[in-house]
Amino acid sequence: KQEVTQIPAALSVPEGENLVLNCSFTDSAIYNLQWFRQDPGKGLTSLLLIQSSQREQTSGRLNASLDKSSGRSTLYIAASQPGDSATYLCAVDTGRRALTFGSGTRLQVQP
Amino acid sequence: GAGVSQSPRYKVAKRGQDVALRCDPISGHVSLFWYQQALGQGPEFLTYFQNEAQLDKSGLPSDRFFAERPEGSVSTLKIQRTQQEDSAVYLCASSQDRISNQPQHFGDGTRLSIL
Repeated sequence: KQEVTQIPAALSVPEGENLVLNCSFTDSAIYNLQWFRQDPGKGLTSLLLIQSSQREQTSGRLNASLDKSSGRSTLYIAASQPGDSATYLCAVDTGRRALTFGSGTRLQVQP
Repeated sequence: GAGVSQSPRYKVAKRGQDVALRCDPISGHVSLFWYQQALGQGPEFLTYFQNEAQLDKSGLPSDRFFAERPEGSVSTLKIQRTQQEDSAVYLCASSQDRISNQPQHFGDGTRLSIL
C-alpha cells in the first residue's frame, strides 16, 4: 500500500527566506506527483504536477523535483512571502487516478 | 462556473440521520473524485467516476456511503444513518481527462458535523 510522508509537519520562517518542503513515498511505481496548497477552510489548489518521466517542474517562485527511484520529491519556494503561508500537500497517483496524500506541511512566513 | 462547486458548505446533522452532499464539477470535465479529509490530515480517496460510470469505490468506508453521477455531470455523495466518525470535510475534485496526466481541481468542500 502506497504511503506518503511529509517532513516537516510545520515550519515557520522569516519573509524572504528560501525553503524546501520534503515528500517521500514508499512505492516508486507512480504515474505522477502533485503538489497542492490548502488555505484554512478552503479546498486544494494545484501548484505543480510532475509526470513520472520528468525530473522537475517550475512555476514562478516554485520548483518541484522528483526522484522516483528513491521515492522523494521536494518543493522549493524562493524568496518566501507572508502570502505563501498555507498548508502544502503532496500526493501521488499510481495510475488508479485515486491520489494518495501526505499529511501536509503547515508553513508560516513571518513578515 | 469557473471552478468546482460544492454544497452545502456546512452541514450539521444528528447521529442516525441521512445526508446528501452535492458536487458540480468544472464544465466538460470527464473525471470526478470524492475525498474525505479529517482535521489535520491529508484527504483520503473515497470514489471515482468517469462520466457516469463509477470506476472505483474502494475508498468508501462502509455500505452506508453511496455516490452517484447519473448524467455524467453533477454528483451526489449520500451517507445513511450517520455516525460521529463521519464528521469530516468532504472534498470533490474534477479532472479534464480520463488518464493520469491532468491535475485534479478541488472544490472548497462540505464540512459535515455529526452531533
